[in-house]
Amino acid sequence: AQKITQTQPGMFVQEKEAVTLDCTYDTSDPSYGLFWYKQPSSGEMIFLIYQGSYDQQNATEGRYSLNFQKARKSANLVISASQLGDSAMYFCAMCPQTSYDKVIFGPGTSLSVIP
Amino acid sequence: EPEVTQTPSHQVTQMGQEVILRCVPISNHLYFYWYRQILGQKVEFLVSFYNNEISEKSEIFDDQFSVERPDGSNFTLKIRSTKLEDSAMYFCASSPGRMNQPQHFGDGTRLSIL
Repeated sequence: AQKITQTQPGMFVQEKEAVTLDCTYDTSDPSYGLFWYKQPSSGEMIFLIYQGSYDQQNATEGRYSLNFQKARKSANLVISASQLGDSAMYFCAMCPQTSYDKVIFGPGTSLSVIP
Repeated sequence: EPEVTQTPSHQVTQMGQEVILRCVPISNHLYFYWYRQILGQKVEFLVSFYNNEISEKSEIFDDQFSVERPDGSNFTLKIRSTKLEDSAMYFCASSPGRMNQPQHFGDGTRLSIL
């Protein structure tokens, strides 16, 4: 079964500190894509970062980096130098080869940045 | 930066009425999607659309739902005879391709069924 697990329902981080949001996934497909999206309290869904299953290097995008450990089936999001505007819900998501159209979302992690 | 736009941002409808949610995908994107998110729950895939036809749909997307691309820019989701449990945030998304291409989401339409 294709599934995304995010074990941290809520996280707190001090402003300017780094934080890691956990994500594990389950798929038997050899090829897949992994994504992270941010959903602020206003409700929109913002694409942050993408990692392909065959990518040799971990993806980075500004303050966001993805710690991809294929053997462990984990794709943790690291946010460096947290800002107050980073407070939001963060969703890990997967696009497996057998169903590239359908992005499977995890339950999300609520991140609160404390001044 | 180009973005997916959705209208209206909030729709309130009486149960049993039909509702049409509208989306304008990013102009050079070829694949279009609808997702929904019931309050406090995770985002669920509804349907994908390519080359003027549905390419995949979930078990949620029953005969009550339909999608259409009536012209070169709009992509709509119609819900016939709405039910209370249809209350949710509905997201439209688009992507330039299928293989490992991120889907870009609109800001969503909050649908409230009374």
